[in-house]
Amino acid sequence: DAGITQSPRYKITETGRQVTLMCHQTWSHSYMFWYRQDLGHGLRLIYYSAAADITDKGEVPDGYVVSRSKTENFPLTLESATRSQTSVYFCASGAGGMTDTQYFGPGTRLTVL
Amino acid sequence: QKEVEQNSGPLSVPEGAIASLNCTYSDRGSQSFFWYRQYSGKSPELIMSIYSNGDKEDGRFTAQLNKASQYVSLLIRDSQPSDSATYLCAAYSSASKIIFGSGTRLSIRP
Repeated sequence: DAGITQSPRYKITETGRQVTLMCHQTWSHSYMFWYRQDLGHGLRLIYYSAAADITDKGEVPDGYVVSRSKTENFPLTLESATRSQTSVYFCASGAGGMTDTQYFGPGTRLTVL
Repeated sequence: QKEVEQNSGPLSVPEGAIASLNCTYSDRGSQSFFWYRQYSGKSPELIMSIYSNGDKEDGRFTAQLNKASQYVSLLIRDSQPSDSATYLCAAYSSASKIIFGSGTRLSIRP
């Protein structure tokens, strides 16, 4: 199916565990983004990527790791999950970077116990 | 810390009226501005982008930008119940990257 997908859609984990959230897009967009959305904070940029093997930090990168070996995939890893990382995570992609339209995936709701 | 501020609402508007959503930003270097609509439990989708001072119209939506006042607004004419959602304002600058406001919840009452 064309578009942008995220998996899993829901995840419950425990403090200290490693968690990887997956993001896949079929548009061949150059840019991909990871955001977290918490009540009262809106969307906050975690990491973004301008192309395969090019990634850069956003507003709140601490505790997260990303990689982008293929244009269509942009996984986000929480190396040692903490309760403060409980959030809804959105992946987005776009052809023109942050000055252009971003297309968001359906989101992953992560709960860290 | 650069910020984008929005009134959280809820803003209640009767059907058929004009809804006016406002946003201020602190980074004077911001160059691009966006309005996203987010239905409850769904992902954001872009409604309007605006890059220069003045008004930009697209159907029932008009975005307004005043860089001197660091102010962005979104007007929705002939409001419909389907416009009930949270509206996120975002600003981009090369220094701050993209910063989103926390959103304004809009409710259109029949």
